[in-house]
Amino acid sequence: ETGVTQTPRHLVMGMTNKKSLKCEQHLGHNAMYWYKQSAKKPLELMFVYSLEERVENNSVPSRFSPECPNSSHLFLHLHTLQPEDSALYLCASSQDITATDYNTEAFFGQGTRLTVV
Amino acid sequence: AQKVTQAQTEISVVEKEDVTLDCVYETRDTTYYLFWYKQPPSGELVFLIRRNSFDEQNEISGRYSWNFQKSTSSFNFTITASQVVDSAVYFCALLGSARQLTFGSGTQLTVLP
Repeated sequence: ETGVTQTPRHLVMGMTNKKSLKCEQHLGHNAMYWYKQSAKKPLELMFVYSLEERVENNSVPSRFSPECPNSSHLFLHLHTLQPEDSALYLCASSQDITATDYNTEAFFGQGTRLTVV
Repeated sequence: AQKVTQAQTEISVVEKEDVTLDCVYETRDTTYYLFWYKQPPSGELVFLIRRNSFDEQNEISGRYSWNFQKSTSSFNFTITASQVVDSAVYFCALLGSARQLTFGSGTQLTVLP
């Protein structure tokens, strides 16, 4: 148990569906992240939030829409996905991402295994 | 640009053998941090170690040890007397001034009984 909880653990959706992934952290961290893990590829950072403000967006298609209503919760809204979007989506949190202190480790959730059919 | 290379895609060992997982990195930063994470079948990444670029001392934690060689840009991870529970995917990662963790592609370790 890392203190970062993701739901659902598994999700199968059609290309026309709309669904949301949820992440909750109980660690009092200020920064939260979405990563995509595809088979045999390095983890790809998708979004970074610090104090509920989006600070990084790594050229992610608009069919992925993040939302951070507060520092403990992070959502990833999905719509009109493609089969190649099937992957493990990991949420992480860390204490902070200030410019002078980026040496804190990230704590990861168990991920949501997404299959797009 | 940052890059982390884990050349070993899969490794299989028999229980009680020692195994070393290789990690080579590239960065132009002079200050950076290196990490190892373990991903068991349950999916979450479990933090194992963080090392900053100014500390080249090797570290030992139980059966785990890490060898940081700045001259060769390597941060290798050794498990001594491996156990079946060590079976997992292991990721090496780099964090620099870009404030983004760059992960390697991971090494799948299988420890056979």
